[in-house]
Amino acid sequence: DAGVIQSPRHEVTEMGQEVTLRCKPISGHDYLFWYRQTMMRGLELLIYFNNNVPIDDSGMPEDRFSAKMPNASFSTLKIQPSEPRDSAVYFCASSPGSGAGELFFGEGSRLTVL
Amino acid sequence: GDSVTQMEGPVTLSEEAFLTINCTYTATGYPSLFWYVQYPGEGLQLLLKATKADDKGSNKGFEATYRKETTSFHLEKGSVQVSDSAVYFCALSDQRGSYIPTFGRGTSLIVHP
Repeated sequence: DAGVIQSPRHEVTEMGQEVTLRCKPISGHDYLFWYRQTMMRGLELLIYFNNNVPIDDSGMPEDRFSAKMPNASFSTLKIQPSEPRDSAVYFCASSPGSGAGELFFGEGSRLTVL
Repeated sequence: GDSVTQMEGPVTLSEEAFLTINCTYTATGYPSLFWYVQYPGEGLQLLLKATKADDKGSNKGFEATYRKETTSFHLEKGSVQVSDSAVYFCALSDQRGSYIPTFGRGTSLIVHP
């Protein structure tokens, strides 16, 4: 399997612009997670899906952030409008569930908002 | 709620030194315990895991033992290499609870030649 695939790997944008990050989970995995990583706050869980349904979005920082999973093989995280404090590395991870607890991470999308 | 506490880094060692990174946890259920490693510019990847008390997880020369009596899962390696330089995350997943993993803050390891 190719693993979890994220795009873009790097994104530089200006404040106020819309940013869309994309994720393709490992085929057959029931869970999909979006994390944000910064030096100050470490690794933060933003939202997770089970069978394409959002289960917990309490980690989404504010209404500017939204996430969708229209099918089992694709998810997006959107920031609109973006702000400099959104600069971070955003990770997507998937898991087969079944109580295994192990997550498979993508390589991340590094976002810089100027 | 569940939580994981790791020693703060960075941990700086010379090549071939012995490594210990401490991890303690709090959980109300029956957690599985994990160590993940993040190399520069990459995502996290599973290093090792243990699913019940007294289990020892091991991989790439690293090992950790699930100690229920001390609620700990310390990571050890007998002889580190420069290529082990990375950030190490301890995590737990409560198999009878929400299942969603809880991560520690991560510990940066720097190994000098």
